[in-house]
Amino acid sequence: DAGVIQSPRHEVTEMGQEVTLRCKPISGHNSLFWYRQTMMRGLELLIYFNNNVPIDDSGMPEDRFSAKMPNASFSTLKIQPSEPRDSAVYFCASSLALGGGSTDTQYFGPGTRLTVL
Amino acid sequence: GESVGLHLPTLSVQEGDNSIINCAYSNSASDYFIWYKQESGKGPQFIIDIRSNMDKRQGQRVTVLLNKTVKHLSLQIAATQPGDSAVYFCAENIGGNMLTFGGGTRLMVKP
Repeated sequence: DAGVIQSPRHEVTEMGQEVTLRCKPISGHNSLFWYRQTMMRGLELLIYFNNNVPIDDSGMPEDRFSAKMPNASFSTLKIQPSEPRDSAVYFCASSLALGGGSTDTQYFGPGTRLTVL
Repeated sequence: GESVGLHLPTLSVQEGDNSIINCAYSNSASDYFIWYKQESGKGPQFIIDIRSNMDKRQGQRVTVLLNKTVKHLSLQIAATQPGDSAVYFCAENIGGNMLTFGGGTRLMVKP
């Protein structure tokens, strides 16, 4: 069975360009998370969707970052304009949130390594 | 298992020995904890989880221990193998369905 799918796996771009990262969660999962991982800051949650609705975006660094989830099987994270400090590995994760106050296991994709020159 | 800037704590063990990776968590209200394994170039992979109403949970070659009194979590790996070499992260539920991750510990297995 397919896990979380992310594309592209690697992205190299120049400062000022728009970058779009894509994620397909595990089929049937209703929660989706975008994380950023750097050596300095570790793994940081950027935004969290539940049933395609953004629930918490307090981790989004600034207005240059935006995320959408138009349907249950697709999400994008966009950076416009990109800057060298955005260079990181971006992970998407999904889970099946059963509600009732419980927390459910998040399964991660392979990540997109972004380099902004 | 807390990291400081660029430096990851490293645990080096001999193949076949048992490994213990520790994690101190911050929120006494956290009720769910997960250990993840991350190999180079890959995303974090779920290993084992535990809820706060338990103090021990066992999987295949792995055991997680939870001490809520001192807010401490540990991952024990029995008969460590070269394939266990990776960075290990603990994560705690901070509310809703969100997790906060520790800085990670690098496990190196010597043949």
